[in-house]
Amino acid sequence: AIQMTQSPSSLSASVGDRVTITCRASQAIRSDLGWYQQKPGKAPKLLIYAASILQSGVPSRFSGSGSGTDFTLTISSLQPEDSATYYCLQDYDNPRTFGQGTKVEIK
Amino acid sequence: EVQLVESGGGLVQPGGSLRLSCAASGFTFRNYWMTWFRQAPGKGLEWVANIKQDGSDTNYVDSVKGRFTISRDNGKNSLYLQMNSLRAEDTAVYYCARDLSPIIRGVPLDAFDIWGQGTMVTVSS
Repeated sequence: AIQMTQSPSSLSASVGDRVTITCRASQAIRSDLGWYQQKPGKAPKLLIYAASILQSGVPSRFSGSGSGTDFTLTISSLQPEDSATYYCLQDYDNPRTFGQGTKVEIK
Repeated sequence: EVQLVESGGGLVQPGGSLRLSCAASGFTFRNYWMTWFRQAPGKGLEWVANIKQDGSDTNYVDSVKGRFTISRDNGKNSLYLQMNSLRAEDTAVYYCARDLSPIIRGVPLDAFDIWGQGTMVTVSS
C-alpha cells in the first residue's frame, strides 16, 4: 500500500498567519490527492481534490499544490474556524491511504 | 437536501457480526461510487472499502478482506457493510461517503463530498 507521510503532526499559529501542511507519498501518485478537514466529533469535509482543485464552497484562503510525491496544503490567512485536523488522502491506487493528520490550533 | 445517514452500529462481541446501512437521499444514488471509511477512537481516518455504481466492482483494505462485504441496493438508495468475524481493532466510527469521481485530464479521481454523520461500532466482550 502507498504510504502517506504528513507533517507536521500538529502546529499552533495565530489568526492571520500563513500555514503550510505537507504530505509525501511513498511512490509517485500523479496529482491523485485530496485534502480533508475534520473537526472534533464531525465527519470530514472535502477541501481540495486532484491536488489543487478547490471544492465548491470552500474559502479561497485554502489552496493545494504538488504532484508526484510531494504535496502541500496552504491556508493563506488562518481564521479561528480553521482549528481542526487536516488529512491528505491518495486516490492513485487501492487501498486508498490517508496521512496521519495535522492538528491545527489557534494561538 | 443531499444527505447520507448511517445506522446499524452497536456493541458486538469478538467474532460476531454486524451490518451497517447508509441511506442516501437528495441525489441520484445509482450514479455514484460509494465508500466506507472508519476512525478508531482518537486515531486517524482509514479507507475501508468502495463499490462501483452498479456494484460490479468492489475494493477493500487488506485488514478487512474476507471478513467485510460492501454492497448496495440502488432501488432502495442504500449502501451496506456486512462485517463478520469482528475483532477489537475494528472498533471505530464508520462513515459512508459519496464520491464525485471527477474526471481530470481523462483520469477518474476521488472527491468525497458528502459524508454521513457516522455510526459507532464497538467490538468488546
